[in-house]
Amino acid sequence: SYVLTQPPSGSVAPGQTARITCEGNNIRSKSVHWYQQRPGQAPVLVVYDDSDRPSGIPERFSGSNSGNTATLTISRVEAGDEADYYCQVWDSRSDHVVFGGGTKLTVL
Amino acid sequence: QVQLVQSGAEVRKPGASVNVSCKASEYTFTNYYIHWVRQAPGQGLEWMGIINLGGGGTGYAQRFQGRVTMTMDTSTSTVYMQLSSLRSEDTAIYYCARSEFGADHYFDYLGQGTLVTVSS
Repeated sequence: SYVLTQPPSGSVAPGQTARITCEGNNIRSKSVHWYQQRPGQAPVLVVYDDSDRPSGIPERFSGSNSGNTATLTISRVEAGDEADYYCQVWDSRSDHVVFGGGTKLTVL
Repeated sequence: QVQLVQSGAEVRKPGASVNVSCKASEYTFTNYYIHWVRQAPGQGLEWMGIINLGGGGTGYAQRFQGRVTMTMDTSTSTVYMQLSSLRSEDTAIYYCARSEFGADHYFDYLGQGTLVTVSS
């Protein structure tokens, strides 16, 4: 089955740029989606189809996908961005949704 | 405004079954899929399966095959997820989530979550 690998944690100072990676075999051939989950809340879609943003999501959130790595970039990080972030793909071979293990982002 | 409203928290004993509902509003019910995703305490997101609201077809993650059943009632725009033979490891928050026909399967709306506790 398809596997997505994320670093378990990361940290960034306010105002700086956070980059969260998601690795998978030839992931560039898939559409990657990203979710933010704040403590005690349901996940929220922040990027879909590699780099598109749902309405209401700040432009500070962006995504890219190349080779074996997809990246969620958060510019001008704010305290409110502290959360868990999950990448997700649809694996058409198995007709299954696959999630990465999640990255806990700490804002210093 | 699109909403997915789930049923309330449940407590079950090991070996029992649980049925969680997800009622959709403010969109064309049959143009979407509903997925179920769960999250054990302190853990990540785990996909359980999918139901096609256009025809009722289902697909389940291998580890839940034989234990999970997803059904729908189009008259009330409600989807149900039944999990049987519960064990303590099934203690988790269960989310329903929507994906759209013709798009890659990403979740633009999720329910508020239902806590299922399995304890003797």
